[in-house]
Amino acid sequence: QKEVEQNSGPLSVPEGAIASLNCTYSDRGSQSFFWYRQYSGKSPELIMFIYSNGDKEDGRFTAQLNKASQYVSLLIRDSQPSDSATYLCAVEASGYSTLTFGKGTMLLVSP
Amino acid sequence: DVKVTQSSRYLVKRTGEKVFLECVQDMDHENMFWYRQDPGLGLRLIYFSYDVKMKEKGDIPEGYSVSREKKERFSLILESASTNQTSMYLCASFGTGSTEAFFGQGTRLTVV
Repeated sequence: QKEVEQNSGPLSVPEGAIASLNCTYSDRGSQSFFWYRQYSGKSPELIMFIYSNGDKEDGRFTAQLNKASQYVSLLIRDSQPSDSATYLCAVEASGYSTLTFGKGTMLLVSP
Repeated sequence: DVKVTQSSRYLVKRTGEKVFLECVQDMDHENMFWYRQDPGLGLRLIYFSYDVKMKEKGDIPEGYSVSREKKERFSLILESASTNQTSMYLCASFGTGSTEAFFGQGTRLTVV
């Protein structure tokens, strides 16, 4: 069974701080990695994807991928209360067009 | 604007009823998925489809079936609803060559 692991949290950070969210995955053949944000009672929305080792930046968000360590992370700079949500890590299974999701990390940003 | 639409936002059904959850996407996507989401268990894949008439079992297909007669529509069927199928059901789609998945708004199903 392919697995995606995340710390459930909650991760609490003050407004303006950097939030660091982490994810590990078991399928060494995985090629595509995604971060989704899910507000309470809403459906997930895609915020970042990364395919290559290294960093990928998009505004206040940076995704980091280390395939050797089977580790992907999401950094949120200058965290805002509106960033308070559950963040889901998703990994595309090798050889299949399906996504396996972690259980999510709840982020709480306090004003 | 990209749209994945699920037929109902909230649904209450009785044990033993046959339940249909409908999902329609307007992006001409080949790939469509049904997940259920439960507290502490995350998103779990029930069934998916790569094309019309095609279906593949996900991680938890027991008690469910699906239908894809048209490319834009993917239906999830609970043959005989049970209380342990009370959950949030999420439909998603993405096109070939892109795994940027778009989700519907979700259907919160309660089986009593």
